[in-house]
Amino acid sequence: DQQVKQNSPSLSVQEGRISILNCDYTNSMFDYFLWYKKYPAEGPTFLISISSIKDKNEDGRFTVFLNKSAKHLSLHIVPSQPGDSAVYFCAANIAGGGNKLTFGTGTQLKVEL
Amino acid sequence: GAVVSQHPSRVICKSGTSVKIECRSLDFQATTMFWYRQFPKQSLMLMATSNEGSKATYEQGVEKDKFLINHASLTLSTLTVTSAHPEDSSFYICSARGLAGGNINIQYFGAGTRLSVL
Repeated sequence: DQQVKQNSPSLSVQEGRISILNCDYTNSMFDYFLWYKKYPAEGPTFLISISSIKDKNEDGRFTVFLNKSAKHLSLHIVPSQPGDSAVYFCAANIAGGGNKLTFGTGTQLKVEL
Repeated sequence: GAVVSQHPSRVICKSGTSVKIECRSLDFQATTMFWYRQFPKQSLMLMATSNEGSKATYEQGVEKDKFLINHASLTLSTLTVTSAHPEDSSFYICSARGLAGGNINIQYFGAGTRLSVL
């Protein structure tokens, strides 16, 4: 049962344009969401997060949007840079659930020159 | 800040041997560490949660006698794959969550260990 889903396995974007990565979840008990970036043979690097009491969080080129009613979150990267090419995972946890993260399957982002 | 070091980065071993992987939080105290496993082109699957000074909590389907976890201090957790077999070959990643004062919702990950069992 995949509770966190990233339906696009890959995304290709031109340098300078916006990258939009999407994530859907099914468990309404999730109340904190995170995005991680991962290069091959490396561990995930934390990017940005959002609490369920908010609908937007921004940090530099990265913005995460949360739509609780739709159980959907997205990560916007503007402007996209070649160094952003990586696999992006969204993750969710439940308050009081031991902070165990449930990960999506990842989206491979390729930013082309 | 929030650096997690994982060693070794790669290990190749013969079937039947045991392999120990270390996970250290370098600049913060980690009350809780997590061990994940990732198969090619798949998501990270949580194997177990390791709390300092207590027994690890294993996820359903993970053999605790196969994957021994020790969290002896606030900066070190170890995963030992006992009597490794080829089907244990995978990418193992640890993460750590810090003490209150920081954002305890965020886990910081090590670089991972590629285990290949011949």
